[in-house]
Formats: sequence, structure tokens, C-alpha cells
Amino acid sequence: AQSVTQLGSHVSVSEGALVLLRCNYSSSVPPYLFWYVQYPNQGLQLLLKYTSAATLVKGINGFEAEFKKSETSFHLTKPSAHMSDAAEYFCAVTRSMGAGSYQLTFGKGTKLSVIP
Amino acid sequence: DSGVTQTPKHLITATGQRVTLRCSPRSGDLSVYWYQQSLDQGLQFLIQYYNGEERAKGNILERFSAQQFPDLHSELNLSSLELGDSALYFCASSAGTSSGETQYFGPGTRLLVL
Repeated sequence: AQSVTQLGSHVSVSEGALVLLRCNYSSSVPPYLFWYVQYPNQGLQLLLKYTSAATLVKGINGFEAEFKKSETSFHLTKPSAHMSDAAEYFCAVTRSMGAGSYQLTFGKGTKLSVIP
Repeated sequence: DSGVTQTPKHLITATGQRVTLRCSPRSGDLSVYWYQQSLDQGLQFLIQYYNGEERAKGNILERFSAQQFPDLHSELNLSSLELGDSALYFCASSAGTSSGETQYFGPGTRLLVL
């Protein structure tokens, strides 16, 4: 069954430093992968998604993620952290429910703190 | 703003009670999904409706039920509430049912069962 594992429930970076949030997936078929961000007291917002068109995916707010099949990874990066990036980030993979139906299976999330 | 609306924003109730959460999908979207987010379980898929019909079920308790109406809004009914049902409930919508589609999430309903 398709699943994702996010390494590190909490990551702290200094403002201006590289952000790296790790996600590894498990899937028996080519996956569709997503990164969502959740700001405090808000819903989930799509950052980017991989649908096999290109291995390097650019998203909103300067984030990008690279799909690496050999490593079964889809890590999220941003070259320079900003205070406004402080939030919780979720990696998700599409899972087939049969009969042409799909759902998202989420990782446990990584809370990003940005230190001024 | 994702275009998905949920009401109410907050709900406080007692054990044993029944509540209804409402969701309006983005204009044009036919699929509605319900998720539960709690500290111990994380984000869990509950149920999906497509154009009024149930399409997929996840970790939804028998005490919970949902439906999607002809105008495509959806309601999630939670009954015989227990303390452990306290959580954030999200609704999401997408255009159809294909695997690569983006799901757009509403702001959620925070349920507190006392």
C-alpha cells in the first residue's frame, strides 16, 4: 500500500538558511506526490505536486522538491528560509481505493520553526 | 482562499451528542473528501463522495456518516460523540476522481467534545 514517511517531526532553521524537509514514499506503482503546508489555525494549502512530468517540481513561495525514484524520496527544499515559512508541512501520496477512486495518505507532518 | 467553505468554524458539545458539519466545495468540483486531524492519529481520510454518491471509505467510524446533496455540498454527521472524537475535521474538494488531481482544503471545523 502507498504510504509516506516524514523524517523529523520538528525542524529548526535560522532565517536565511536552507530548508530541507524529508519525505520518503512507498508505492508499488508510479506515485503522485504532494506537499501541503498548514499555517496555525488554517487549512492545508498545496505547495507543489509531482505527477511524473518532471522530476524537479517548483512550487509556491520559493519551495521546490525533487522526485528521486532510486531513493524513493521527495524532499522539500527552499534555499533561504523566511520567518513566514514557519508552519507544519505534510507530504502525501495518492492511494488507490479501487473503482477509480483515490485518496491522499499523509505523513505525520514536520513542524518548521524559523529562528530570527 | 481555497474556495472550499466549512461551517461552523468551532463546535463545542458534550459526550453522547450529535453534530453536523457542513462543507461547500469549490465551484465546479464534483468530489468531496472528509478528513480528521488529531494529535495522535494525524490526518486520516474518512470518506469521499463524487457527484452525490459515496466513492470511497477510509477510517470512518460507524457512528459517523456523510452525504452529498444535489447542489454538491456535503455534510458529515457525528453521533454518540466521545471525548476521543475531539479533532479538526477538514473537507476537501477536487474536480473529479483521477489520481493526480489536487485536493483543495477548507479551513476546517474544530470539534471539542466535553
